[in-house]
Amino acid sequence: AQSVAQPEDQVNVAEGNPLTVKCTYSVSGNPYLFWYVQYPNRGLQFLLKYITGDNLVKGSYGFEAEFNKSQTSFHLKKPSALVSDSALYFCAVSRDSGGYQKVTFGTGTKLQVIP
Amino acid sequence: GAVVSQHPSWVICKSGTSVKIECRSLDFQATTMFWYRQFPKQSLMLMATSNEGSKATYEQGVEKDKFLINHASLTLSTLTVTSAHPEDSSFYICSAIPAGQGARYGYTFGSGTRLTVV
Repeated sequence: AQSVAQPEDQVNVAEGNPLTVKCTYSVSGNPYLFWYVQYPNRGLQFLLKYITGDNLVKGSYGFEAEFNKSQTSFHLKKPSALVSDSALYFCAVSRDSGGYQKVTFGTGTKLQVIP
Repeated sequence: GAVVSQHPSWVICKSGTSVKIECRSLDFQATTMFWYRQFPKQSLMLMATSNEGSKATYEQGVEKDKFLINHASLTLSTLTVTSAHPEDSSFYICSAIPAGQGARYGYTFGSGTRLTVV
């Protein structure tokens, strides 16, 4: 079975400061890792993904994430937070086994950027 | 890019009635769509996998007779909540991937439907 852990229910950061939202995963085989963002009463918007290749992945809106195989982590980062980044962030994992596979989501982390 | 349209955005219905939610892939064909349910302050729980032209695959604990899924075309899947009760009130979200592509390409999500049963 595959799983995702987002250990922080909420992260508060001052505007302009760097932010990190943590994610660890468990999956057999090679992981596909994703970050999505959700605004209130909206669906999920794709931010970035790791499939293979460089461990540092760059995505939308200045976000990036680093895949660390030894620590089974995929933390989301941004050098300088904006108030508009305040939202709910989900980490997700799937795996490479051909065709489509189920995606398992973490419980989400609410990011609050303080002006 | 791939766009998934979900309708309605919100609906209020009386207890005992049925509600249909539509999920459309607007610019791609999707042989597979997924239906999720999200409770307040919780993550998305996969309810079922909708396959075009065949029966949906339901996750354990999801009542297939209560949550009817129909994937009649390559661009449309519907979720019908039958005999709705207040405990069915939730946020329902669909997602899809283009036909022939696997999970490595990620999933496109609809904007969600807020169902309130009174």
